[in-house]
Amino acid sequence: GQQVMQIPQYQHVQEGEDFTTYCNSSTTLSNIQWYKQRPGGHPVFLIQLVKSGEVKKQKRLTFQFGEAKKNSSLHITATQTTDVGTYFCAGEGTYKYIFGTGTRLKVLA
Amino acid sequence: DTAVSQTPKYLVTQMGNDKSIKCEQNLGHDTMYWYKQDSKKFLKIMFSYNNKELIINETVPNRFSPKSPDKAHLNLHINSLELGDSAVYFCASSQDLGGANVLTFGAGSRLTVL
Repeated sequence: GQQVMQIPQYQHVQEGEDFTTYCNSSTTLSNIQWYKQRPGGHPVFLIQLVKSGEVKKQKRLTFQFGEAKKNSSLHITATQTTDVGTYFCAGEGTYKYIFGTGTRLKVLA
Repeated sequence: DTAVSQTPKYLVTQMGNDKSIKCEQNLGHDTMYWYKQDSKKFLKIMFSYNNKELIINETVPNRFSPKSPDKAHLNLHINSLELGDSAVYFCASSQDLGGANVLTFGAGSRLTVL
């Protein structure tokens, strides 16, 4: 079945450093979504990418969708302690979204 | 006014017991889901309902039985609980907006089986 992997699984950064998580799907995706889950919280939608090669920015966050629509990345510039959490990508299947394995980010002040 | 609400938030029970988790959404969405998040944080789809009809039933033991009395509610009943059922169960809902199916999650129900 469809699998969505993310790397790295964990990342510790010093506050102010950059951070990137990569998402790879075993199949071509019609679109990809990104969610953030704060510690003890629930996943919250960040963004959706639809077009091949699409790049979107939200303040310090930059999201990319690969040309082949099988991979995506999330880059955070100059991390802050508020960026702590687990970041998930999610690829659309039929009547469901398949979530990636997640990347847990810790930001050290 | 919470968009997707789940009860209970915490549930501690013994192996072999039966328990239920309830979910309600006030967003008017057509589709509701149950996801299971294990200790490694993996989020796995269990069930998906569209307008009260079961659409997706992943490889979940038949001890798990979802019920949707109407499109705003989706409950999860678990029989004969096992240690491996310990996890956080998230309810979510979505509305198909021409290709943008954004999931709104509830706060989660943490189940601990002793």
